[in-house]
Amino acid sequence: GAVVSQHPSRVICKSGTSVKIECRSLDFQATTMFWYRQFPKQSLMLMATSNEGSKATYEQGVEKDKFLINHASLTLSTLTVTSAHPEDSSFYICSAPTSGGPYNEQFFGPGTRLTVL
Amino acid sequence: DAKTTQPTSMDCAEGRAANLPCNHSTISGNEYVYWYRQIHSQGPQYIIHGLKNNETNEMASLIITEDRKSSTLILPHATLRDTAVYYCIVRSNSGGYQKVTFGIGTKLQVIP
Repeated sequence: GAVVSQHPSRVICKSGTSVKIECRSLDFQATTMFWYRQFPKQSLMLMATSNEGSKATYEQGVEKDKFLINHASLTLSTLTVTSAHPEDSSFYICSAPTSGGPYNEQFFGPGTRLTVL
Repeated sequence: DAKTTQPTSMDCAEGRAANLPCNHSTISGNEYVYWYRQIHSQGPQYIIHGLKNNETNEMASLIITEDRKSSTLILPHATLRDTAVYYCIVRSNSGGYQKVTFGIGTKLQVIP
């Protein structure tokens, strides 16, 4: 199947700093990518839809000014957690569909573990 | 997308078949049943999907009831590496890129 990578896999930062997470589709182009957040022992929660060349669409309750999304190319979307605080500590996962027609299939990245001290 | 109901957890002996049920009584005609799994601290992995016919691939089989209100994911010979949370998701494939909405899933523990 298609491959989606994330970088870094793990990051520890101090409260108040900003952290950038990259999501790349390695062998296909993705005009749309999705960002999820997962707290311990909970399911994945969709945060936003990243669209190449246009603004991201955020789910209700997700602060767009805190979670900045940039989809600069057909293979790269970035999520920046600005002024991170301990409550932002979570597992962040991106996904990308391989096509827009029927049977479009989602492939997920391996996740990024963010710990804010 | 239609909602799904899954048992919170299940155990299965290594080498035996793991049968994971899912109820989706409000599924509509154009919605597919998808299964993903998430091994601890990893991203979700696609397993299989189907509309109304039973499906089989190298990972699993998917059995969908005739009325499509429920389905069962079958791992024919469970191994320890199959220990994961399994998500049953119902979603339409029509038009555009479909976001995947996850429920709580079933935590499958394969026991040696």
